[in-house]
Amino acid sequence: AQTVTQSQPEMSVQEAETVTLSCTYDTSENNYYLFWYKQPPSRQMILVIRQEAYKQQNATENRFSVNFQKAAKSFSLKISDSQLGDTAMYFCAFGGAYGGSQGNLIFGKGTKLSVKP
Amino acid sequence: ETGVTQTPRHLVMGMTNKKSLKCEQHLGHNAMYWYKQSAKKPLELMFVYNFKEQTENNSVPSRFSPECPNSSHLFLHLHTLQPEDSALYLCASSQDQRGGLDTQYFGPGTRLTVL
Repeated sequence: AQTVTQSQPEMSVQEAETVTLSCTYDTSENNYYLFWYKQPPSRQMILVIRQEAYKQQNATENRFSVNFQKAAKSFSLKISDSQLGDTAMYFCAFGGAYGGSQGNLIFGKGTKLSVKP
Repeated sequence: ETGVTQTPRHLVMGMTNKKSLKCEQHLGHNAMYWYKQSAKKPLELMFVYNFKEQTENNSVPSRFSPECPNSSHLFLHLHTLQPEDSALYLCASSQDQRGGLDTQYFGPGTRLTVL
């Protein structure tokens, strides 16, 4: 069974600085998808970034980028030029490449990020 | 944030009450999901519906009863809940149920407190 581990329950960063959130996962599959979701306080969970395992290139979305290390089963999220609005819970998730139960998303416990002015 | 809506946003109920949570998606998706989010725990998948048919019941107690009358609406009927059922209940939808190929979009959640 797949597992997702986020080893940093809480982190903080100064505004305008860079922070990296860690995520490791375990799977025997060769093709899959990885996600980072952001859940601001009392607000909706939204997708930050998505990575397809068979793509070598790391995904980027504006100030958000990932460091995907397939062999190490590591999927970290880097936030550059941190802003106060980045304060949120960040969840790493694994999604299989197949439909049905095998493909359901598996989430980590989350990392609470605080951006300080 | 209007793609997936949930009502009510907050609910307080006694253990003998019966209540329902509602989820509606405006994205034209075929799959809908119920998750339970408790503090310091990963999101727990409860139920999945694809094309109105239940495809997943993740060993959820029978005091939670889902209903999906059409692809746009999903309900979670609650009765005789326990205090440990207090949590944030999230609804999500995706184009289909094809694992990571279909990105899931979440609603704002219903914060449930069982007294």
